[in-house]
Amino acid sequence: AQSVTQLGSHVSVSEGALVLLRCNYSSSVPPYLFWYVQYPNQGLQLLLKYTSAATLVKGINGFEAEFKKSETSFHLTKPSAHMRDAAEYFCAVRPSGGGADGLTFGKGTHLIIQP
Amino acid sequence: NAGVTQTPKFRVLKTGQSMTLLCAQDMNHEYMYWYRQDPGMGLRLIHYSVGEGTTAKGEVPDGYNVSRLKKQNFLLGLESAAPSQTSVYFCASRKLAGAYNEQFFGPGTRLTVL
Repeated sequence: AQSVTQLGSHVSVSEGALVLLRCNYSSSVPPYLFWYVQYPNQGLQLLLKYTSAATLVKGINGFEAEFKKSETSFHLTKPSAHMRDAAEYFCAVRPSGGGADGLTFGKGTHLIIQP
Repeated sequence: NAGVTQTPKFRVLKTGQSMTLLCAQDMNHEYMYWYRQDPGMGLRLIHYSVGEGTTAKGEVPDGYNVSRLKKQNFLLGLESAAPSQTSVYFCASRKLAGAYNEQFFGPGTRLTVL
């Protein structure tokens, strides 16, 4: 079974600072990779997804993620944090191939933005 | 388009009571999913469906049943609720065509079992 590890259940950064949220997956074959964001009392919204077109993926709200096969990682970054970025972030994977498999989620990282 | 909607938004049950959560999507997606979210656990897949009349078990199916009588609806049932089923439940849908298609999520149902 696949697994996803997100290092750090809580990450705190100052407004304007770099945001780095880590995600590692366990799979010998790279899975489909996604980052979702959840604002308080809301559902999940897609930030970005890896499509194999490029290892650096750009998403919404200024976020991007880099796929590194050798490190089995898909870390999420944003150059300059904004107060509105405070939310829960989830890394998720789905096995490669054409199946209907659901997503396997990491446990989430709560991003705190200090003014 | 409304996307994925869930009914109800909140519910409180007593142990042993039953209820059904309704998920509806208007995007004509083939695949639909039910997840539960618990603090510090991320989301875990309960059941899913690849099409009308078909369902399959996910990671944590015990205590739940599902049905998909219409393509746009996916029902999650609890026959005899237990306190361990207190959680936030999310429905999601995904289009069949396209390997990298993402899942679209509903707003969630917060269920408390006393």
